[in-house]
Amino acid sequence: SQQGEEDPQALSIQEGENATMNCSYKTSINNLQWYRQNSGRGLVHLILIRSNEREKHSGRLRVTLDTSKKSSSLLITASRAADTASYFCATASGAGSYQLTFGKGTKLSVIP
Amino acid sequence: SQTIHQWPATLVQPVGSPLSLECTVEGTSNPNLYWYRQAAGRGLQLLFYSVGIGQISSEVPQNLSASRPQDRQFILSSKKLLLSDSGFYLCAWSWGGTYGYTFGSGTRLTVV
Repeated sequence: SQQGEEDPQALSIQEGENATMNCSYKTSINNLQWYRQNSGRGLVHLILIRSNEREKHSGRLRVTLDTSKKSSSLLITASRAADTASYFCATASGAGSYQLTFGKGTKLSVIP
Repeated sequence: SQTIHQWPATLVQPVGSPLSLECTVEGTSNPNLYWYRQAAGRGLQLLFYSVGIGQISSEVPQNLSASRPQDRQFILSSKKLLLSDSGFYLCAWSWGGTYGYTFGSGTRLTVV
């Protein structure tokens, strides 16, 4: 079953602009992760934020987590054409957290 | 460093034929292993996961099965493919839910 839901489903921006994607989930989590998928390829892990963290940075990526609202956001600053991809949030919950549950993704297009 | 290999990259199979997709991981031991399926434009659906040799957990009842004959080998099989089995199959490994997943490059399966 789907746990995370990304918003918007699709986003088109100009190169150099910032891109913000949101993720909402339903149950309590141990951590939340963001992945990128280029068309027809496997997913690449971008960043993991634990339930006791509120914000995390990695290069041009900034992730926030609000457990009270059960939501997260991914900000990509100064976007590049190479950032064009689908972005997925995934949640790990339960004892052992062996499984990740993925949302349907946000398709980001960065126009040069 | 750890690497994950998944093959074949594409596969076209007739309805009713058998299936065998293989995934191997190098550079680590006792990884958690996962098979996901992604329908066109959709999120990822967890099919099977394994925390050790011979230990398989199934998330979705269907005509697919998985096996883990060796520590770093994960195989997805079917005795008779259905049209609905078409999709993009992804293998992944992790050290557990508190770590990110590393995905293979995927297999595009078309059942005709």
